[in-house]
Amino acid sequence: QEQLVESGGGVVQPGKSLRLSCAASGFTFSSFAINWVRQAPGKGLEWVAVLSYDGSNEYYADSVKGRFTISRDNSRNTLFLQMNSLRSEDTAVYYCARSELGSLLSYFDYWGRGTLVTVSS
Amino acid sequence: DIQMTQSPSTLSASVGDRVTITCRASQSISSWLAWYQQKPGIAPKLLIYKASSLDIGVPSRFSGSGSGTEFTLTISSLQPDDFGIYYCQQYKTYWAFGQGTKVEIK
Repeated sequence: QEQLVESGGGVVQPGKSLRLSCAASGFTFSSFAINWVRQAPGKGLEWVAVLSYDGSNEYYADSVKGRFTISRDNSRNTLFLQMNSLRSEDTAVYYCARSELGSLLSYFDYWGRGTLVTVSS
Repeated sequence: DIQMTQSPSTLSASVGDRVTITCRASQSISSWLAWYQQKPGIAPKLLIYKASSLDIGVPSRFSGSGSGTEFTLTISSLQPDDFGIYYCQQYKTYWAFGQGTKVEIK
């Protein structure tokens, strides 16, 4: 059974850094592009970043470009999101979400349960 | 950037009602549209992809239609478990979600 489990969230001060992880199981992780999507409290969904199955292609939303870095370790079935220079507007639940097999530009067929990041002094 | 606009923002309907949610794209996205359902505190769940293809296990009362810039999600007979927020998403050029439609059961 496909599963994505996020971790690493917490409370962090503005300007600081945080690293999120997304552990995958139940499917061949190295065959799928994986995304990060966030949801601010009481708000809608915002796509954040995507990384191709082999790590060769990465794309970011303008709101995080230059501050966030997406990476993956296929040997550990894990996706990461390094978040630097955090701002209050980055406060959100962060979900990892899987793209359709064989596609980077795709809908998201499986989602994790999310991890909450709170940026506050 | 492609903007997605959903209507209505909230709807309240009775069990058994036919419910329709509309999603409009700021430019043509062909059929590169998905619909998701989200319940409080839970991750979104894929319902429909490529505008009208039902994901595995999704009840047949859900259907999607449209192409270009206008799309609809229809629930043919609303059930108590269908409450939640519904989002459309375009994946033609990067990704963008609509603002969501909250479905309440009367």
